[in-house]
Amino acid sequence: SAVISQKPSRDICQRGTSLTIQCQVDSQVTMMFWYRQQPGQSLTLIATANQGSEATYESGFVIDKFPISRPNLTFSTLTVSNMSPEDSSIYLCSVSSGQMGTQYFGPGTRLLVL
Amino acid sequence: RKEVEQDPGPFNVPEGATVAFNCTYSNSASQSFFWYRQDCRKEPKLLMSVYSSGNEDGRFTAQLNRASQYISLLIRDSKLSDSATYLCVVYSGYSTLTFGKGTMLLVSP
Repeated sequence: SAVISQKPSRDICQRGTSLTIQCQVDSQVTMMFWYRQQPGQSLTLIATANQGSEATYESGFVIDKFPISRPNLTFSTLTVSNMSPEDSSIYLCSVSSGQMGTQYFGPGTRLLVL
Repeated sequence: RKEVEQDPGPFNVPEGATVAFNCTYSNSASQSFFWYRQDCRKEPKLLMSVYSSGNEDGRFTAQLNRASQYISLLIRDSKLSDSATYLCVVYSGYSTLTFGKGTMLLVSP
């Protein structure tokens, strides 16, 4: 499986500010994914990030709030913009192994918005 | 009906016990199925993939019943280290996974 790292691992932010989360993979991957896991909930897909094209957002998530970059096949960023306390969550990136849906996850970024 | 449903638990079992988790899914076109394990404040980690009727890996057995749209995970001889939340995950194509809310397992001495 791929080795995935995320920065920062955690942060505490003030409302109205923005935070950019980085995801680095140790191998080239076509598809990267960004998820959110709110307290006590399961994972919800925010968007799929493909290199060389615009990210594809799921229902309820928009580019203005969660802009994504995918400059190459090993790196992606997710920005949480104009944060509010409701954005407090764990944000996880993942990559597809190409085997019928199998995905591997980064360690997550724990965000608390005050 | 929710896309992927699991009993949230918690399941409290003693060491050495056998425990089974159930999961139902609503999309009959789902192609493959997974059990992930998530420890507290950690990322989900793949435990087992289920592509056909079932899969066995040591103490863990996963079974799939497509007719009933039902997946199960059986853990034999439970260890303290098995304590975690177990996520049922369904793949229905287009690289999209749908996650259940997870079943919490607590194994006690």
